[in-house]
Amino acid sequence: KAGVTQTPRYLIKTRGQQVTLSCSPISGHRSVSWYQQTPGQGLQFLFEYFSETQRNKGNFPGRFSGRQFSNSRSEMNVSTLELGDSALYLCASSLESSETQYFGPGTRLLVL
Amino acid sequence: QQQVKQSPQSLIVQKGGISIINCAYENTAFDYFPWYQQFPGKGPALLIAIRPDVSEKKEGRFTISFNKSAKQFSLHIMDSQPGDSATYFCAASILNTGNQFYFGTGTSLTVIP
Repeated sequence: KAGVTQTPRYLIKTRGQQVTLSCSPISGHRSVSWYQQTPGQGLQFLFEYFSETQRNKGNFPGRFSGRQFSNSRSEMNVSTLELGDSALYLCASSLESSETQYFGPGTRLLVL
Repeated sequence: QQQVKQSPQSLIVQKGGISIINCAYENTAFDYFPWYQQFPGKGPALLIAIRPDVSEKKEGRFTISFNKSAKQFSLHIMDSQPGDSATYFCAASILNTGNQFYFGTGTSLTVIP
């Protein structure tokens, strides 16, 4: 099976712009989670989608949003970008009740 | 607030030595404790995991020790190899509530040949 894919892999934006990141889960996986990874902070949970519904949400401002499509693909949107949003954004997929999350390679976002 | 605290931040070990990474948590509702390994340019990958009903789990050279009363768990890498050089993350979650994981801040392990 193909692994989790994320596009784009790298992105450079300026403050105030918005960005959309995409994640394609492993075939058959219905749960998609998003994490922000920064040096010193580790991985911070953003949100999880399951069957097109947000099932869990982390402590991030409303500028961070997401959605999931009927084919389980997910997108994450960040509006009004700030310098502090520069990070590696990771997507992970899993089966409905699986303990194992499979991570994609991430999208590295740089905000100038 | 960091729900899972991890130490040390970095670790240098000689080839053949034992690498030990520690984590502590506060939420007693956590019932699943995985460790992830991440190489540069890659996403984290599940290495080994434990539930709180056992005190130790071993898979090859990797062992998790779990102390429920102290709310601590640790990863031991025996006979450390240069190929083990990576960043390691501990995590915790509450099963059956979805896939929300709380991660430690990571340990950068370097194994010197």
